[in-house]
Amino acid sequence: NAGVTQTPKFQVLKTGQSMTLQCAQDMNHEYMSWYRQDPGMGLRLIHYSVGAGITDQGEVPNGYNVSRSTTEDFPLRLLSAAPSQTSVYFCASSLPSGAGELFFGEGSRLTVL
Amino acid sequence: DQQVKQNSPSLSVQEGRISILNCDYTNSMFDYFLWYKKYPAEGPTFLISISSIKDKNEDGRFTVFLNKSAKHLSLHIVPSQPGDSAVYFCAASEGNKLTFGGGTRVLVKP
Repeated sequence: NAGVTQTPKFQVLKTGQSMTLQCAQDMNHEYMSWYRQDPGMGLRLIHYSVGAGITDQGEVPNGYNVSRSTTEDFPLRLLSAAPSQTSVYFCASSLPSGAGELFFGEGSRLTVL
Repeated sequence: DQQVKQNSPSLSVQEGRISILNCDYTNSMFDYFLWYKKYPAEGPTFLISISSIKDKNEDGRFTVFLNKSAKHLSLHIVPSQPGDSAVYFCAASEGNKLTFGGGTRVLVKP
């Protein structure tokens, strides 16, 4: 009963490096999204996808890239990491007709030095 | 400009008493309002929701109230238990896109 799986759980990067946060779900959910959590700011939407081949920007998309080649996977790419991207990242999925009830992964803590 | 706000960053309550968490929003187009609970080092988990056409929804010890004219919702937890100690996020949805408040940390004292 895996649900939403995120890897890695922890990562330290240097400014300018690139990396990919992986997200996979086994619930056959069409909708997937990435959020970042920062103190006092709740969770902010970075990018989302309503199905394979379809992605769109959320509230804070700059510096991030996504693709959705399969229903199961929704990786988040940091193109050139900056200290402002130090955060905890959460991947979530849901059925497209859901009333916003998202299933979240355990999170990936990223530190950019 | 935050569309969803939780003005109390923390709340401390005695075990067995009521916990009341508040949330305000600005966007009249939100169609559902939700509460999520988050423990340290875990992802948020869905707790309870309410449609914008209703004013109350109850699930066991948890009740959510919606006041559309005031653009305000609240979560009542009765009775509070030590296991309820967590961060609670209010969220509002337009379809599957959620906008979250900043969270309220609840501590239930035995």
